[in-house]
Amino acid sequence: GAGVSQSPSNKVTEKGKDVELRCDPISGHTALYWYRQSLGQGLEFLIYFQGNSAPDKSGLPSDRFSAERTGGSVSTLTIQRTQQEDSAVYLCASSSRASGGTDTQYFGPGTRLTVL
Amino acid sequence: DAKTTQPNSMESNEEEPVHLPCNHSTISGTDYIHWYRQLPSQGPEYVIHGLTSNVNNRMASLAIAEDRKSSTLILHRATLRDAAVYYCILRGDAGGTSYGKLTFGQGTILTVHP
Repeated sequence: GAGVSQSPSNKVTEKGKDVELRCDPISGHTALYWYRQSLGQGLEFLIYFQGNSAPDKSGLPSDRFSAERTGGSVSTLTIQRTQQEDSAVYLCASSSRASGGTDTQYFGPGTRLTVL
Repeated sequence: DAKTTQPNSMESNEEEPVHLPCNHSTISGTDYIHWYRQLPSQGPEYVIHGLTSNVNNRMASLAIAEDRKSSTLILHRATLRDAAVYYCILRGDAGGTSYGKLTFGQGTILTVHP
């Protein structure tokens, strides 16, 4: 079946421009997560959604980062006024529900963002 | 969040068993132990999880110490495709700081030699 998809797969942008990254979760999954992976910081959590609401935004590094989810499905991560330190692979994951112990997160292939 | 400690790297030969250790001495009674792995240029993928008893699935086995302060992921016959970074992650119940998100450490880089 269809897994988590992300677009674009690669994005090169100039410093100061805004970018939008898209995530399509597995159909029926109510929980959606954004992570990023950079050389210096490893794999770090950004935000997660349960339905259309975001109970945990604690990982967003600054107010330049925002995310939304509509219709309980597609999510968009927006980075305004990009900086070179935003260069990373942005990963999206989904699960059938957000839980502590037992849910399994399924990851997409990621969007590689390069800020020149 | 309760922390996990893993060796930075391990090596194995193809078709031999691999035992990947994880220490989690501050684990709470309701924390589940999860393992994910990340193959080169891919997103992480779920491997296995457990609470108290040992667990087996088609990918691996998870052996959990009786005091739950450590666990071992066992790949019974390593293949070249198993070369990846393996992450041991603790996940707690609702209301805890680890609820929902996965908190990744540095993981163990597994190299498999032909």
